[in-house]
Amino acid sequence: QITLKESGPTLVKPTETLTLTCTFSGFSLSTSGVGVGWIRQPPGKALEWLALIYWDDDKRYSPSLKSRFTITKDTSKNQVVLTMTNMGPVDTATYYCAHRQDWTFFDYWGQGTLVTVSS
Amino acid sequence: EIVLTQSPGTLSLSPGERATLSCRASQSVSSGYLAWYQQKSGQAPRLLISGASSRATGIPDRFSGSGSGTDFTLTINRLEPEDFAVYYCQQYGSSILFGQGTKLEIK
Repeated sequence: QITLKESGPTLVKPTETLTLTCTFSGFSLSTSGVGVGWIRQPPGKALEWLALIYWDDDKRYSPSLKSRFTITKDTSKNQVVLTMTNMGPVDTATYYCAHRQDWTFFDYWGQGTLVTVSS
Repeated sequence: EIVLTQSPGTLSLSPGERATLSCRASQSVSSGYLAWYQQKSGQAPRLLISGASSRATGIPDRFSGSGSGTDFTLTINRLEPEDFAVYYCQQYGSSILFGQGTKLEIK
């Protein structure tokens, strides 16, 4: 059974750096074809893909947000970490991590974590 | 860059009716790499359809997807009360993009 869970601060101040952790079970990020992605959703708005990391450490980022994001993995801990610099109020959103197999869709999602950016 | 436009923005129907949701891409979606997700309030999205027309595991057969190229449709037959939610299309493959969503509400 595949599960994912996001964790991190619920409140950050403008200009701060946000670090979110996705802890998963039921699969390994060392298995060929497996990826974990991050998607966010501002309150009342649509889903927005942010970043992806694959079993071979290939990393992909949304072109519009690329410069602010870093995604890394710790295979031994079954974790993926997303770091976002220079947070602003527009980054207030629920952040989800999700499982991806072989360049396809996101088939398993975490429950999401709401991050508010406010002074 | 591809843009996905979903219509209508809001669809008001009654239980038992049929819902037809549209997702239009500004460029052809390669290999039919188009998925549909359902999101209920306060919950994570749930995969419904992949490859434009393949139902995910456990998805009732009243949900069906169709289309190719730039025009895709999600059809929900005989709406059940639990089907009222927001629906997103997503292009996947080498690039990932979500549509802006269609809210299906009870009339």
